[in-house]
Amino acid sequence: AQKITQTQPGMFVQEKEAVTLDCTYDTSDQSYGLFWYKQPSSGEMIFLIYQGSYDEQNATEGRYSLNFQKARKSANLVISASQLGDSAMYFCAMRFPNSGNTPLVFGKGTRLSVIA
Amino acid sequence: GAVVSQHPSRVICKSGTSVKIECRSLDFQATTMFWYRQFPKQSLMLMATSNEGSKATYEQGVEKDKFLINHASLTLSTLTVTSAHPEDSSFYICSARAQTVYEQYFGPGTRLTVT
Repeated sequence: AQKITQTQPGMFVQEKEAVTLDCTYDTSDQSYGLFWYKQPSSGEMIFLIYQGSYDEQNATEGRYSLNFQKARKSANLVISASQLGDSAMYFCAMRFPNSGNTPLVFGKGTRLSVIA
Repeated sequence: GAVVSQHPSRVICKSGTSVKIECRSLDFQATTMFWYRQFPKQSLMLMATSNEGSKATYEQGVEKDKFLINHASLTLSTLTVTSAHPEDSSFYICSARAQTVYEQYFGPGTRLTVT
Protein backbone atom coordinates (compact mmCIF):
# COMPACT_ATOMS: atom_id res chain seq x y z
CA ALA A 1 0.00 0.00 0.00
CA GLN A 2 1.11 3.54 -0.71
CA LYS A 3 2.27 5.49 2.30
CA ILE A 4 3.54 8.99 2.97
CA THR A 5 5.48 9.82 6.09
CA GLN A 6 6.30 13.19 7.60
CA THR A 7 8.27 12.51 10.74
CA GLN A 8 8.53 16.06 12.07
CA PRO A 9 5.33 17.16 13.85
CA GLY A 10 6.84 20.57 14.49
CA MET A 11 9.87 22.57 13.43
CA PHE A 12 11.33 25.91 14.46
CA VAL A 13 13.55 28.06 12.29
CA GLN A 14 15.12 31.45 12.74
CA GLU A 15 14.01 34.15 10.34
CA LYS A 16 16.24 34.35 7.23
CA GLU A 17 17.60 30.85 7.79
CA ALA A 18 16.87 27.83 5.57
CA VAL A 19 14.81 24.87 6.75
CA THR A 20 14.22 21.37 5.43
CA LEU A 21 10.93 19.58 5.95
CA ASP A 22 11.15 15.82 5.52
CA CYS A 23 8.88 13.58 3.51
CA THR A 24 9.35 9.94 2.60
CA TYR A 25 7.05 7.73 0.61
CA ASP A 26 6.50 4.14 -0.27
CA THR A 27 5.00 3.02 -3.55
CA SER A 28 5.55 0.39 -6.19
CA ASP A 29 4.22 2.67 -8.94
CA GLN A 30 6.76 4.00 -11.40
CA SER A 31 4.69 7.04 -12.28
CA TYR A 32 3.80 9.31 -9.42
CA GLY A 33 3.61 12.96 -8.53
CA LEU A 34 4.97 14.66 -5.43
CA PHE A 35 3.46 17.85 -4.08
CA TRP A 36 3.93 20.21 -1.19
CA TYR A 37 1.16 22.40 0.16
CA LYS A 38 1.13 25.12 2.80
CA GLN A 39 -1.89 25.55 5.06
CA PRO A 40 -1.95 28.75 7.12
CA SER A 41 -4.34 29.18 10.03
CA SER A 42 -7.04 30.37 7.61
CA GLY A 43 -7.27 26.81 6.33
CA GLU A 44 -6.69 27.38 2.63
CA MET A 45 -4.39 24.94 0.88
CA ILE A 46 -1.65 26.78 -1.00
CA PHE A 47 0.23 24.85 -3.67
CA LEU A 48 3.98 25.28 -3.36
CA ILE A 49 5.83 22.89 -5.63
CA TYR A 50 5.48 19.77 -7.78
CA GLN A 51 7.87 17.02 -8.85
CA GLY A 52 7.06 14.22 -11.25
CA SER A 53 8.70 10.88 -10.71
CA TYR A 54 10.30 11.02 -14.15
CA ASP A 55 11.63 14.54 -13.73
CA GLU A 56 15.40 14.42 -13.61
CA GLN A 57 15.94 17.87 -12.19
CA ASN A 58 14.82 18.89 -8.72
CA ALA A 59 11.88 21.28 -8.84
CA THR A 60 12.32 24.87 -7.69
CA GLU A 61 9.78 27.65 -7.21
CA GLY A 62 11.23 30.85 -5.82
CA ARG A 63 12.34 30.18 -2.24
CA TYR A 64 11.04 26.61 -2.37
CA SER A 65 12.96 23.67 -3.71
CA LEU A 66 12.24 19.99 -3.60
CA ASN A 67 15.14 17.68 -2.80
CA PHE A 68 14.02 14.60 -4.71
CA GLN A 69 15.99 11.44 -3.98
CA LYS A 70 14.22 8.72 -5.90
CA ALA A 71 16.30 5.78 -4.70
CA ARG A 72 15.74 6.79 -1.10
CA LYS A 73 12.07 7.60 -1.80
CA SER A 74 12.30 10.99 -0.22
CA ALA A 75 10.95 14.36 -1.32
CA ASN A 76 12.09 16.93 1.19
CA LEU A 77 11.00 20.56 0.94
CA VAL A 78 13.67 23.19 1.41
CA ILE A 79 12.60 26.73 2.24
CA SER A 80 15.37 29.26 1.92
CA ALA A 81 15.51 32.63 3.68
CA SER A 82 12.56 31.89 5.97
CA GLN A 83 10.07 34.66 6.60
CA LEU A 84 7.61 35.14 9.45
CA GLY A 85 4.80 34.55 6.98
CA ASP A 86 6.11 31.05 6.35
CA SER A 87 4.75 29.94 9.72
CA ALA A 88 2.06 27.38 8.84
CA MET A 89 1.32 23.69 8.44
CA TYR A 90 3.11 22.05 5.55
CA PHE A 91 1.79 18.91 3.92
CA CYS A 92 3.57 16.54 1.62
CA ALA A 93 1.18 14.89 -0.80
CA MET A 94 1.44 12.33 -3.53
CA ARG A 95 -0.52 11.06 -6.44
CA PHE A 96 0.16 7.51 -7.53
CA PRO A 97 -0.26 6.68 -10.27
CA ASN A 98 0.18 10.17 -11.65
CA SER A 99 -2.73 10.11 -14.03
CA GLY A 100 -6.48 10.10 -14.48
CA ASN A 101 -8.74 10.46 -11.48
CA THR A 102 -6.17 9.59 -8.87
CA PRO A 103 -6.52 11.90 -5.85
CA LEU A 104 -3.79 13.39 -3.74
CA VAL A 105 -2.97 11.54 -0.55
CA PHE A 106 -1.51 13.59 2.26
CA GLY A 107 1.05 13.08 4.96
CA LYS A 108 0.32 14.10 8.54
CA GLY A 109 1.97 17.46 8.14
CA THR A 110 4.68 19.49 9.82
CA ARG A 111 3.97 22.70 11.71
CA LEU A 112 6.67 25.24 10.93
CA SER A 113 7.21 28.18 13.24
CA VAL A 114 9.51 30.99 12.11
CA ILE A 115 11.09 32.92 14.95
CA ALA A 116 12.12 36.56 14.63
CA GLY B 1 -3.60 29.65 -10.92
CA ALA B 2 -7.11 28.31 -11.30
CA VAL B 3 -9.76 29.25 -8.74
CA VAL B 4 -12.05 26.95 -6.81
CA SER B 5 -14.77 28.46 -4.65
CA GLN B 6 -16.70 26.91 -1.82
CA HIS B 7 -19.92 28.03 -0.23
CA PRO B 8 -20.66 28.53 2.59
CA SER B 9 -17.36 29.18 4.33
CA ARG B 10 -18.91 28.53 7.73
CA VAL B 11 -22.15 26.89 8.74
CA ILE B 12 -23.70 26.03 12.06
CA CYS B 13 -26.61 23.64 12.08
CA LYS B 14 -28.65 21.69 14.56
CA SER B 15 -28.29 17.97 15.02
CA GLY B 16 -30.55 16.04 12.64
CA THR B 17 -30.65 18.64 9.90
CA SER B 18 -28.95 18.46 6.49
CA VAL B 19 -26.34 20.82 5.12
CA LYS B 20 -25.28 21.33 1.52
CA ILE B 21 -21.82 22.57 0.58
CA GLU B 22 -21.13 23.80 -2.95
CA CYS B 23 -17.82 23.63 -4.75
CA ARG B 24 -17.29 25.48 -8.02
CA SER B 25 -14.40 25.70 -10.43
CA LEU B 26 -14.56 29.29 -11.61
CA ASP B 27 -12.26 29.44 -14.60
CA PHE B 28 -11.72 25.88 -15.74
CA GLN B 29 -13.65 22.70 -16.33
CA ALA B 30 -13.12 20.21 -13.56
CA THR B 31 -13.41 16.71 -14.91
CA THR B 32 -12.75 15.33 -11.45
CA MET B 33 -13.53 16.73 -8.04
CA PHE B 34 -12.46 15.46 -4.66
CA TRP B 35 -13.87 15.98 -1.19
CA TYR B 36 -11.70 15.92 1.90
CA ARG B 37 -12.40 16.41 5.58
CA GLN B 38 -9.95 17.65 8.13
CA PHE B 39 -10.28 17.39 11.90
CA PRO B 40 -8.41 19.88 14.10
CA LYS B 41 -4.66 19.41 14.06
CA GLN B 42 -4.94 16.52 11.62
CA SER B 43 -4.27 15.97 7.97
CA LEU B 44 -6.70 15.96 5.07
CA MET B 45 -8.54 12.69 4.66
CA LEU B 46 -10.05 11.86 1.29
CA MET B 47 -13.78 11.20 1.47
CA ALA B 48 -14.71 10.67 -2.16
CA THR B 49 -13.82 11.23 -5.79
CA SER B 50 -16.44 12.35 -8.26
CA ASN B 51 -16.53 12.69 -12.00
CA GLU B 52 -19.04 14.80 -13.85
CA GLY B 53 -22.18 12.86 -14.63
CA SER B 54 -21.30 9.71 -12.74
CA LYS B 55 -21.61 8.38 -9.21
CA ALA B 56 -18.97 9.30 -6.70
CA THR B 57 -16.43 6.78 -5.49
CA TYR B 58 -16.28 6.80 -1.70
CA GLU B 59 -13.31 5.88 0.43
CA GLN B 60 -13.57 2.99 2.82
CA GLY B 61 -15.37 3.97 5.98
CA VAL B 62 -17.22 6.95 4.47
CA GLU B 63 -20.98 6.48 4.54
CA LYS B 64 -22.30 7.29 1.08
CA ASP B 65 -25.87 7.64 2.34
CA LYS B 66 -24.76 10.22 4.86
CA PHE B 67 -22.42 12.20 2.64
CA LEU B 68 -24.22 12.68 -0.66
CA ILE B 69 -22.05 13.92 -3.48
CA ASN B 70 -23.38 15.23 -6.75
CA HIS B 71 -21.20 16.37 -9.65
CA ALA B 72 -23.85 17.68 -11.98
CA SER B 73 -21.64 19.75 -14.27
CA LEU B 74 -18.00 20.35 -15.11
CA THR B 75 -17.93 23.33 -12.77
CA LEU B 76 -20.09 22.29 -9.82
CA SER B 77 -20.00 19.58 -7.19
CA THR B 78 -22.05 19.47 -4.02
CA LEU B 79 -21.62 17.62 -0.75
CA THR B 80 -24.73 17.17 1.38
CA VAL B 81 -24.28 16.05 4.96
CA THR B 82 -27.57 14.38 5.83
CA SER B 83 -28.92 14.09 9.37
CA ALA B 84 -25.85 15.80 10.72
CA HIS B 85 -24.54 14.95 14.17
CA PRO B 86 -21.94 16.70 16.33
CA GLU B 87 -19.29 14.18 15.28
CA ASP B 88 -19.71 15.43 11.70
CA SER B 89 -18.34 18.80 12.78
CA SER B 90 -15.20 19.28 10.74
CA PHE B 91 -13.47 21.31 8.04
CA TYR B 92 -14.58 20.13 4.59
CA ILE B 93 -12.39 20.98 1.62
CA CYS B 94 -13.15 20.37 -2.02
CA SER B 95 -10.57 20.07 -4.71
CA ALA B 96 -10.73 20.03 -8.47
CA ARG B 97 -8.55 18.90 -11.28
CA ALA B 98 -8.68 19.64 -14.97
CA GLN B 99 -7.84 16.85 -17.34
CA THR B 100 -4.73 18.37 -18.80
CA VAL B 101 -2.84 19.65 -15.78
CA TYR B 102 -1.04 17.94 -12.94
CA GLU B 103 -2.10 20.39 -10.28
CA GLN B 104 -5.05 19.82 -8.00
CA TYR B 105 -6.72 23.07 -6.98
CA PHE B 106 -8.33 23.48 -3.58
CA GLY B 107 -11.30 25.47 -2.40
CA PRO B 108 -11.02 27.60 0.74
CA GLY B 109 -12.90 25.06 2.86
CA THR B 110 -16.15 24.99 4.81
CA ARG B 111 -16.19 24.80 8.57
CA LEU B 112 -19.22 22.83 9.70
CA THR B 113 -20.34 22.93 13.31
CA VAL B 114 -23.23 20.73 14.37
CA THR B 115 -24.82 21.64 17.70
